[in-house]
Amino acid sequence: SQQGEEDPQALSIQEGENATMNCSYKTSINNLQWYRQNSGRGLVHLILIRSNEREKHSGRLRVTLDTSKKSSSLLITASRAADTASYFCATDLSGNTPLVFGKGTRLSVIA
Amino acid sequence: EPEVTQTPSHQVTQMGQEVILRCVPISNHLYFYWYRQILGQKVEFLVSFYNNEISEKSEIFDDQFSVERPDGSNFTLKIRSTKLEDSAMYFCASRGGGAATGELFFGEGSRLTVL
Repeated sequence: SQQGEEDPQALSIQEGENATMNCSYKTSINNLQWYRQNSGRGLVHLILIRSNEREKHSGRLRVTLDTSKKSSSLLITASRAADTASYFCATDLSGNTPLVFGKGTRLSVIA
Repeated sequence: EPEVTQTPSHQVTQMGQEVILRCVPISNHLYFYWYRQILGQKVEFLVSFYNNEISEKSEIFDDQFSVERPDGSNFTLKIRSTKLEDSAMYFCASRGGGAATGELFFGEGSRLTVL
């Protein structure tokens, strides 16, 4: 299975701190994506990193990818209470294969 | 901004009943998906659909499930005879472009409760 597995399962931090979530996967991928889900809502795409990229930034988000270790990390800097959500990584093998999601990390940012 | 819309937002049904969940993907997208999420758990792939046929399905997507794109805009998921364990949030997603890779756009989900 190419399924991503996030770590930790849950993370609680103070507003202003940085939050780091990790994702490990099992097979070679075409790209890896991170999604956010507010409670009871749909998933929203955050960032996509291709297999030939090592780092990508988008606003307060920084994603790294280490294909040799089959792992990725999502860093949210200067967290806000509004960042409270579940964060999922999803691996994309290639072509028409569907995205496979991990179990997610529940992030709580305390004001 | 274009979005994926799903109806109903919540459906309660009796075990054994048929349920149809509806989705309107983003209009120029070509690839369509159904995922489900049992409360608080992972997002599980059910089925992908491209060029008016199923391109891939998971073990969850057994004979009780079917998908259809009846009119070129709607994309439906039918569960023929619901079971208690079908209670979950069902998400429709679509993506476009010439390649299948790229971000998925999700709807807000349909919560199915089977009693």
